[in-house]
Amino acid sequence: DAKTTQPNSMESNEEEPVHLPCNHSTISGTDYIHWYRQLPSQGPEYVIHGLTSNVNNRMASLAIAEDRKSSTLILHRATLRDAAVYYCILRDVNAGGTSYGKLTFGQGTILTVHP
Amino acid sequence: DAMVIQNPRYQVTQFGKPVTLSCSQTLNHNVMYWYQQKSSQAPKLLFHYYDKDFNNEADTPDNFQSRRPNTSFCFLDIRSPGLGDAAMYLCATSRDGGKGETQYFGPGTRLLVL
Repeated sequence: DAKTTQPNSMESNEEEPVHLPCNHSTISGTDYIHWYRQLPSQGPEYVIHGLTSNVNNRMASLAIAEDRKSSTLILHRATLRDAAVYYCILRDVNAGGTSYGKLTFGQGTILTVHP
Repeated sequence: DAMVIQNPRYQVTQFGKPVTLSCSQTLNHNVMYWYQQKSSQAPKLLFHYYDKDFNNEADTPDNFQSRRPNTSFCFLDIRSPGLGDAAMYLCATSRDGGKGETQYFGPGTRLLVL
């Protein structure tokens, strides 16, 4: 999987929007951009994913740059429950043929939300 | 309503004593994964099954093995746990492993090796 770069940590205040950046300058045309988050002492959970167009769901929005070399996860109103490690992951299961959708996690961004 | 279930949540074993961690799923997904997550690190894939087809990651130690007796269950066997195997072990599933698919994770089993 292609490599992603994220800031080690970010902070936000409750009720404010949060923009979590991810750089993926070596992304290929078939790579999907996935975001997962991991709350303390829990397994990772899916947040959102996209290929080329911006995406919205009930949890977040994903803004993808036109050249696809970067993306931003947007939490519109952070809550204390959003404090977690956020992982930006590129997935291309075409590579290798047997890597059935495995996730290669980077170090992620630790998001702290202040009351 | 649980979708990916891992038992136990905490497991204590002794150095060198074989241990088995279990995972079950109610999603009827074809692909099941085992990840290892050491303290303050990101999860790392150990191996995965597509149905009964086993795929081992190149750097997964021989000490780790897995069994999938049916669609719903998958086991992680650590033959001779060392202190360095203390970690959170995460099980995940995916319908077919497609690149646009979601992976569903269980809550993990935290393994302590004494």
